[in-house]
Amino acid sequence: DTVLTQSPALAVSPGERVTISCRASESVSTRMHWYQQKPGQQPKLLIYGASNLESGVPARFSGSGSGTDFTLTIDPVEANDTATYFCQQSWNDPPTFGGGTKLELK
Amino acid sequence: EVQLQQSGAELVKPGASVKLSCKTSGYTFSNYYMSWLKQMPGQNIEWIGNIYGGNGGTGYNQKFKGKATLTVDKSSSTAYMDLSSLTSEDSAVYFCAREGATIAAPFDYWGQGVMVTVSS
Repeated sequence: DTVLTQSPALAVSPGERVTISCRASESVSTRMHWYQQKPGQQPKLLIYGASNLESGVPARFSGSGSGTDFTLTIDPVEANDTATYFCQQSWNDPPTFGGGTKLELK
Repeated sequence: EVQLQQSGAELVKPGASVKLSCKTSGYTFSNYYMSWLKQMPGQNIEWIGNIYGGNGGTGYNQKFKGKATLTVDKSSSTAYMDLSSLTSEDSAVYFCAREGATIAAPFDYWGQGVMVTVSS
C-alpha cells in the first residue's frame, strides 16, 4: 500500500502562514486530496486533485505538488482552523490516508 | 443538499456481528460509489471498501476481506456494511463517504460517523 507521511503537529499564531506537508512512498500523480477534521466530526474535503479548492472552502486554503511531495497551505491562519489535517491518495489501490497533522494555534 | 445519515452507536459482544446503515439524500444514489472507512481513536483513517449504487458492484481493501460485507438498497438510497466476528480491534468510528463522480475522485461527502464498541 502507498504510505503517506505527515508531520504529527504544528503550532502557529493567528494571521501567520502555515504549510503542512505530505510525502508519498510512491508516485500518486496529482491524485492527492486534503481533509480537515475537528474533534467529534467527520472529515471535510478541502482540496482535491492536489490543487483544486473544493466549493465553499475559503481561498485561504491552497494545495500544491505532484508525484510524491505535496503541500497544504493556509494563509492566513484563523483561530477556527484548529483541527487535524489529513492527506489522502486515490491513485494507487487501496486509497490511503496520512497519519494527520494536528494544527494548534498559539 | 447532499446528506449521508448514519445509524446510531453500537455496543456489541465479541464474536457477534453488526450491520451499519448510511441513508442518503440529495443526489442520484445509483450514479455514485459509496465507500466505508474506519478510524480508531486518535489514529489513521483506513479505507474498507466501496460499492457502486447502480449495480452493487464492490471493491475491498484486502485487509478487510472477510470482515466487512457491503450492500445497497437502491429503493431507499441506503448503503449498508456488515461487520462480522467482531473483536476489540474492530472498536472504532466507521464513516460512509461518497466518492466524487470522476475516476480516482476524493470523498466529497461524509456521514457523521458511528461508534462501534466491542465489549463483553
